[in-house]
Amino acid sequence: QVQLQQPGAELVKPGASVKLSCKASGYTFTNYWIHWVKQRPGQGLEWIGEINPGNGRSNYNEKFKTKATLTVDKSSTTAYMQLSSLTSEDSAVYYCARRVSYGNRFDYWGQGTTLTVSS
Amino acid sequence: DIQMTQSPASLSASVGETVTITCGASENIYGALNWYQRKQGKSPQLLIYGATNLADGMSSRFSGSGSGRQYSLKISSLHPDDVATYYCQNVLTTSLTFGAGTKLELK
Repeated sequence: QVQLQQPGAELVKPGASVKLSCKASGYTFTNYWIHWVKQRPGQGLEWIGEINPGNGRSNYNEKFKTKATLTVDKSSTTAYMQLSSLTSEDSAVYYCARRVSYGNRFDYWGQGTTLTVSS
Repeated sequence: DIQMTQSPASLSASVGETVTITCGASENIYGALNWYQRKQGKSPQLLIYGATNLADGMSSRFSGSGSGRQYSLKISSLHPDDVATYYCQNVLTTSLTFGAGTKLELK
């Protein structure tokens, strides 16, 4: 069955960078774009960006262009999102999701990684 | 970017009632709109895609409608399990913006 596995939590210090992972299984990794979504406590969902695992092409929300970098490792069927120069504003749950072309719908989601930025 | 405006921000209703959530886009999105349900402590789940299509496995008590700039999600015969936050999402453009969400609670 389709699964997107994410670590449950990460704790990092302000000013540091972190690389969040999203391991895909149960389908052909290169056939579906992977998206990343942010949710801060008590707030709504924010779309960060997307990456095509087949060719590495990516698109970003303008707001996150200098914050997030999306990559993939086809050999391990894992998508990554690196977040740089972390501040408390980056503390949030980060989800990865698979997009189906028809309807541009996110049909499977990871469980989310809770990122805490704290000294 | 296309802005998505949802209303109401929160909603309280009784079991068995019918509720409607609306979502407005800052420009015509030609039906390229999806709805997601997010229950407390869980990942979001696809509910409706293409404005009117019910996602696999979701209850037929949920229905979507709309066109152009205005869309709505109707939940019929409310169940306790429907308590969640509901989000609309523009999927027309590369930047796939979400609405701010509507939190549904039971009276």
